[in-house]
Amino acid sequence: QQQVKQSPQSLIVQKGGIPIINCAYENTAFDYFPWYQQFPGKGPALLIAIRPDVSEKKEGRFTISFNKSAKQFSLHIMDSQPGDSATYFCAASSNFNKFYFGSGTKLNVKP
Amino acid sequence: DAGVIQSPRHEVTEMGQEVTLRCKPISGHDYLFWYRQTMMRGLELLIYFNNNVPIDDSGMPEDRFSAKMPNASFSTLKIQPSEPRDSAVYFCASSYRYSPLHFGNGTRLTVT
Repeated sequence: QQQVKQSPQSLIVQKGGIPIINCAYENTAFDYFPWYQQFPGKGPALLIAIRPDVSEKKEGRFTISFNKSAKQFSLHIMDSQPGDSATYFCAASSNFNKFYFGSGTKLNVKP
Repeated sequence: DAGVIQSPRHEVTEMGQEVTLRCKPISGHDYLFWYRQTMMRGLELLIYFNNNVPIDDSGMPEDRFSAKMPNASFSTLKIQPSEPRDSAVYFCASSYRYSPLHFGNGTRLTVT
């Protein structure tokens, strides 16, 4: 059973567009929701994270929106750039023990 | 801080051979995780350690897989005997309590 469901599988946007990646979870014990960015040949790297006591968090051009009642969270990339082309993973954890990852979204930002 | 270091970066072996993947976590981190990444199954947690002790190995696919952490600065993941379906990228990650995961750059394993 997949603990975290992520969509879409792939996404193509033009430079300057705002790609949105969505994730949903069922386990209400999850209390930490990070997003990771992965470039080819590299390991995933932490991009931004949120705790369920806030509904939104911004870091630069990256924003997480969190809806606790719907058990959903999403990543928005403002003013996307070709350098943002990568695979993005959402994840969830309870008490920073096991981290469950979504299936990943391959983002392509066209110049 | 050198980050999480994995070796080798690439491993090509024949079916039936033993494969050993190595990981050096970030100094001071007390959690270590082994993940496997494939196109079909994404990132799967295989096993994780806390203070060198295996906590949860429920993700280890079968008895052919084993992992050890003899000390705080070294861990191995061994596959014996290897099979073509084991071909994947294997990641090691470490963390300090209540902190996010830091991943290495992975070992790409190809079993022919």
